[in-house]
Amino acid sequence: GENVEQHPSTLSVQEGDSAVIKCTYSDSASNYFPWYKQELGKRPQLIIDIRSNVGEKKDQRIAVTLNKTAKHFSLHITETQPEDSAVYFCAASINRDDKIIFGKGTRLHILP
Amino acid sequence: ETGVTQSPTHLIKTRGQQVTLRCSSQSGHNTVSWYQQALGQGPQFIFQYYREEENGRGNFPPRFSGLQFPNYSSELNVNALELDDSALYLCASSRLSGNTIYFGEGSWLTVV
Repeated sequence: GENVEQHPSTLSVQEGDSAVIKCTYSDSASNYFPWYKQELGKRPQLIIDIRSNVGEKKDQRIAVTLNKTAKHFSLHITETQPEDSAVYFCAASINRDDKIIFGKGTRLHILP
Repeated sequence: ETGVTQSPTHLIKTRGQQVTLRCSSQSGHNTVSWYQQALGQGPQFIFQYYREEENGRGNFPPRFSGLQFPNYSSELNVNALELDDSALYLCASSRLSGNTIYFGEGSWLTVV
């Protein structure tokens, strides 16, 4: 079955700098890659997603890139702000509402 | 707000007991998925229900079972509770046509 690896497990960046979180997946049939942000004690919230027919997608300060050949995808957050501090999960699935396989998460700390 | 509601929000059970968690899906959504999120981990897919039938299952034992009702609401039942069942249980609803899933706030289960 699908396996999603996520790195790093913890990331600290200075406020205003960029943060990059990387994921790999194992099942070449996966074609949908969402990213979720989870604040302490809250539910995961979808922040951006990308489908396999697109190599890059951007939404304001957040962008996701996908390399299907290498089975890599990454989340980029620019001009980080204190409210970006949270745990971020990458995930993969074959269809958008097929079972979604999550990575183990990256705890992002934005330093003042 | 996602329109997905879960109950109860918190509960404590004793090892060996049984628990039922409930989920009301967003209006117009006919698919419900359940995930287990242990502390410090990513959500893990338990199973999915579509039109009252199980439509995919993750690597969970049979003591995890579910139901979906004609109004698309759903229940997750766990029998013979074990300490490792302590986790946040997330319900997600969607339409089975390639749409994004939306998580509820979750039910925090503690098994003592």
